[in-house]
Amino acid sequence: GQQLNQSPQSMFIQEGEDVSMNCTSSSIFNTWLWYKQDPGEGPVLLIALYKAGELTSNGRLTAQFGITRKDSFLNISASIPSDVGIYFCAGQRYGNKLVFGAGTILRVKS
Amino acid sequence: EAGVAQSPRYKIIEKRQSVAFWCNPISGHATLYWYQQILGQGPKLLIQFQNNGVVDDSQLPKDRFSAERLKGVDSTLKIQPAKLEDSAVYLCASSSSFLEGTSYEQYFGPGTRLTVT
Repeated sequence: GQQLNQSPQSMFIQEGEDVSMNCTSSSIFNTWLWYKQDPGEGPVLLIALYKAGELTSNGRLTAQFGITRKDSFLNISASIPSDVGIYFCAGQRYGNKLVFGAGTILRVKS
Repeated sequence: EAGVAQSPRYKIIEKRQSVAFWCNPISGHATLYWYQQILGQGPKLLIQFQNNGVVDDSQLPKDRFSAERLKGVDSTLKIQPAKLEDSAVYLCASSSSFLEGTSYEQYFGPGTRLTVT
């Protein structure tokens, strides 16, 4: 079953606000990835993290790989309506399958 | 660069019928994955291929699900016979390679939404 705890389950925020979501695991991962999934589409890779402590940005998105290698967070700054969707974290051990969280549903009020 | 292609996009069948899904990965990607995504959950890996060989099929319900990648490029996932609980989105993904001790980013197709009635 699922090994990742992703929170919050859903968020409803005002346009322009910053957003933060996180993912925790009981076991260590070598890679953390963050995906966004729009309705009727497959997940799209946003950010990949390969080293403990790594902080990586992609435009308004920033993600960090936790020092313990058991957690990661994703921040979105100055949210806009097109940020709506489901955000998934995924952990990966070397060569092994991705393990996904249950997702955070983001809704933005314009 | 073209993305991962999947067809059909939608399929409705009755329980006990058979269904097949097709996937064409990103050109040059040696590793191909099939995932099942049930509504409200993250994707769950069913099977992973490296070229035309199976790397991991530990979560594939082998009594009813089968998959092949005969020429190491495109792949087919089949369900026979289907059950109500098979209703889900079936996602195909690909990555550039698979080596022990390394991780590679996976890129997903749009998925096939299966409804079993």
